[in-house]
Amino acid sequence: EIVLTQSPGTLSLSPGEGATLSCRASQSVSSTYLAWYQQKPGQAPRLLIYDASSRATGIPDRFSGSGSGTDFTLTISRLEPEDFAVYYCQQYDSSLYTFGQGTKLEIK
Amino acid sequence: EVQLVQSGAEVKKPGESLKISCKGSGYSFTNYWIGWVRQMPGKGLEWMGIISPGNSDTRYSPSFQGQVTISADKSISTAYLQWSSLKASDTAMYYCVRRPGRYFDYWGQGTLVTVSS
Repeated sequence: EIVLTQSPGTLSLSPGEGATLSCRASQSVSSTYLAWYQQKPGQAPRLLIYDASSRATGIPDRFSGSGSGTDFTLTISRLEPEDFAVYYCQQYDSSLYTFGQGTKLEIK
Repeated sequence: EVQLVQSGAEVKKPGESLKISCKGSGYSFTNYWIGWVRQMPGKGLEWMGIISPGNSDTRYSPSFQGQVTISADKSISTAYLQWSSLKASDTAMYYCVRRPGRYFDYWGQGTLVTVSS
């Protein structure tokens, strides 16, 4: 089973700054099978990025995904107040899906 | 509009059985796998399993195999997650999800299950 490790655990930034969130896999992941989600308190998660770099419907272009193999990145170019949330990466391999443990993006 | 609408919150005692539901609408229910994701209080997301409503082909996470049963009734566009004997450690929020590729594009609103004596 592929394990996803996200870093940092918590990221403290100010609105307007850029954010870089990392997701590292224990084995190589097909780029087609890496996704990112955002979860705000009391809400269900929301799909942001699929296939490593494709934005989901309605997701602003300040969100972008990149990476391949074992290292993937979610970048938020200019943080808006509504972007402060928990972010999860997720992969698929051999009929199994796993999530990373999450990165909490908090207001500094 | 695509929607996954889950059944309401449940409070159960240890040892009791439970079946929660997820009704899909706004799309062809049999064309997309439906999965279940657990989120324990204050914790992250865990994939539990997934079902193809068209033929009931089901896959489970090794962590949940034998602990829960996933099923679907395509005639009413509804997927289910059930337990035969709940434990306190089953207390969590459970989300159903739609799978268009190898990711989850729509999420239900969640069903909170509380197991307490």
